[in-house]
Amino acid sequence: EAAVTQSPRNKVAVTGGKVTLSCNQTNNHNNMYWYRQDTGHGLRLIHYSYGAGSTEKGDIPDGYKASRPSQENFSLILELATPSQTSVYFCASGAGLGASAETLYFGSGTRLTVL
Amino acid sequence: GEQVEQRPPHLSVREGDSAIIICTYTDSATAYFSWYKQEAGAGLQLLMSVLSNVDRKEEQGLTVLLNKKDKRLSLNLTAAHPGDSAVYFCAVSARNNRIFFGDGTQLVVKP
Repeated sequence: EAAVTQSPRNKVAVTGGKVTLSCNQTNNHNNMYWYRQDTGHGLRLIHYSYGAGSTEKGDIPDGYKASRPSQENFSLILELATPSQTSVYFCASGAGLGASAETLYFGSGTRLTVL
Repeated sequence: GEQVEQRPPHLSVREGDSAIIICTYTDSATAYFSWYKQEAGAGLQLLMSVLSNVDRKEEQGLTVLLNKKDKRLSLNLTAAHPGDSAVYFCAVSARNNRIFFGDGTQLVVKP
């Protein structure tokens, strides 16, 4: 069964620390995405990727880096975590089948708390 | 860029009643429209999608209506039950494959 797996499920970090959120997909999808979800803001796109080796900035990229070393893996990196980055983070994959028709498959989320 | 507004943010209905959620969008070239459901502690899951050449689609108690003239998308749960309680998101795809989400509707279905 196709799946998007995120790790860890929960993470507590200290301000100024480095945090890496990992995502693995077995869908063989070209596109992968990182979103954060906060009350009152819905889903906001942080970074995305069209394939291995590519990363693109989304709507709120500041304070985040992304890495796509392979088709299956897409990481989100917080080099210097801040309390404002406390949120629930979702990874998603999509086939990106031309002409805008894309369905996203989401992981279960990572709850990050920065103290 | 595309702006998506979703309403209402919170909706409470009785079991068996209809629940209607509406999204409006701004880009007339938007071509793909989806509704996702998010249950507590989980990621979003696709409920239904329509292309821009479809005005109405019904599946398993759900009806999606697309009014391109008014740039309005709606989801109607025709006979809601407690298992439908969740957060619902609309999503629209712009011409460059970017997907824009509404802010979500928290639906509570009371027995």
